[in-house]
Amino acid sequence: SAVISQKPSRDICQRGTSLTIQCQVDSQVTMMFWYRQQPGQSLTLIATANQGSEATYESGFVIDKFPISRPNLTFSTLTVSNMSPEDSSIYLCSVAATLGDIQYFGAGTRLSVL
Amino acid sequence: KQEVTQIPAALSVPEGENLVLNCSFTDSAIYNLQWFRQDPGKGLTSLLLIQSSQREQTSGRLNASLDKSSGRSTLYIAASQPGDSATYLCAVSLWGGSEKLVFGKGTKLTVNP
Repeated sequence: SAVISQKPSRDICQRGTSLTIQCQVDSQVTMMFWYRQQPGQSLTLIATANQGSEATYESGFVIDKFPISRPNLTFSTLTVSNMSPEDSSIYLCSVAATLGDIQYFGAGTRLSVL
Repeated sequence: KQEVTQIPAALSVPEGENLVLNCSFTDSAIYNLQWFRQDPGKGLTSLLLIQSSQREQTSGRLNASLDKSSGRSTLYIAASQPGDSATYLCAVSLWGGSEKLVFGKGTKLTVNP
């Protein structure tokens, strides 16, 4: 199994600002993902973080709003840019060692935008 | 477009009861199906993973079944305990190797002492 450290665990931000969320894994993993869970909704995939290349975004999510970095096989960041109250959600990082493997999740970042 | 539905949305049972949580999905072309539990402030914990070629998986008091052709999975919890109280999420991985998970909204389970 993988141990995932996600920071910060929660934050309260002002409209128009940006927040960067970090995801650190205790072992090298092939796949890293970022999900969003809006209040009362299911988890939705934002993007797949690719090591050494641009992230792959799902429909409805764009790089300008959610820039992602993945400099190596154990670390990734997600930035939520120019925030509005609609961005208030839980953001989760997940990893999988290989294709078809169990996905492990971080504890999440609870974001509130005022 | 794959959609995952979980019924019921919430369930409250007395301790010791056996219970079944249901999950249905619209597209049977899945790679695998996972059941997770979500505890407040603790993220998601993977409970069971069933590959598309499998019919069931067991771990302790948990048993998950998969009927891919009918688009259904069930999670059976035997002899429920208050510590089982959590939100249980079902997620399917789409065929094609992208590892993208599509989640249901979950079933919030409360086990009363």
